[in-house]
Amino acid sequence: KAGVTQTPRYLIKTRGQQVTLSCSPISGHRSVSWYQQTPGQGLQFLFEYFSETQRNKGNFPGRFSGRQFSNSRSEMNVSTLELGDSALYLCASSLPQLASDTQYFGPGTRLTVL
Amino acid sequence: GENVEQHPSTLSVQEGDSAVIKCTYSDSASNYFPWYKQELGKRPQLIIDIRSNVGEKKDQRIAVTLNKTAKHFSLHITETQPEDSAVYFCAAREEKLTFGTGTRLTIIP
Repeated sequence: KAGVTQTPRYLIKTRGQQVTLSCSPISGHRSVSWYQQTPGQGLQFLFEYFSETQRNKGNFPGRFSGRQFSNSRSEMNVSTLELGDSALYLCASSLPQLASDTQYFGPGTRLTVL
Repeated sequence: GENVEQHPSTLSVQEGDSAVIKCTYSDSASNYFPWYKQELGKRPQLIIDIRSNVGEKKDQRIAVTLNKTAKHFSLHITETQPEDSAVYFCAAREEKLTFGTGTRLTIIP
């Protein structure tokens, strides 16, 4: 099976702009989670989608939003970008039958905000 | 919410020796504990995981132990090799996956 894919791989934006990132899960996986990875904070959970519904949400401001489509592909959007939003954004997919199902990560989108 | 602490943040080990990374978690309802390895510029890759009904799991040179009473779990790598050099993350999951802050493991040839 093909792995988790993310597009674009790299993005450069300026403060105040908005950005949309895309994630295609492994075929058959219905859950997609998003994480922000920074050197200082590690991997921070953003949100999880299952069957087009947001199932869990992390402690990020409302500028961060997401959605999932009927084919399980997911997008996340960040509006009014700030310098601190520069990070690697990772998505991960899982089946899941149980909350303990393994998550498989995509390669990430490197966002730089100038 | 869940809080996961990971120690040490950096670890240097002579090739062939063992490495141990420890994590503690706060939510006693957490029932799944994966470990991920992330090499420079690459995605995190699952290397081993353990569920709450098991105390220990081993896969070749890698083992994980879980103490539910004390709410801590550990990663053990034996006979370390240069390719083991990477950042390792522990995580705990109840409703969502919460990660530790990572351990940068360096294997000294």
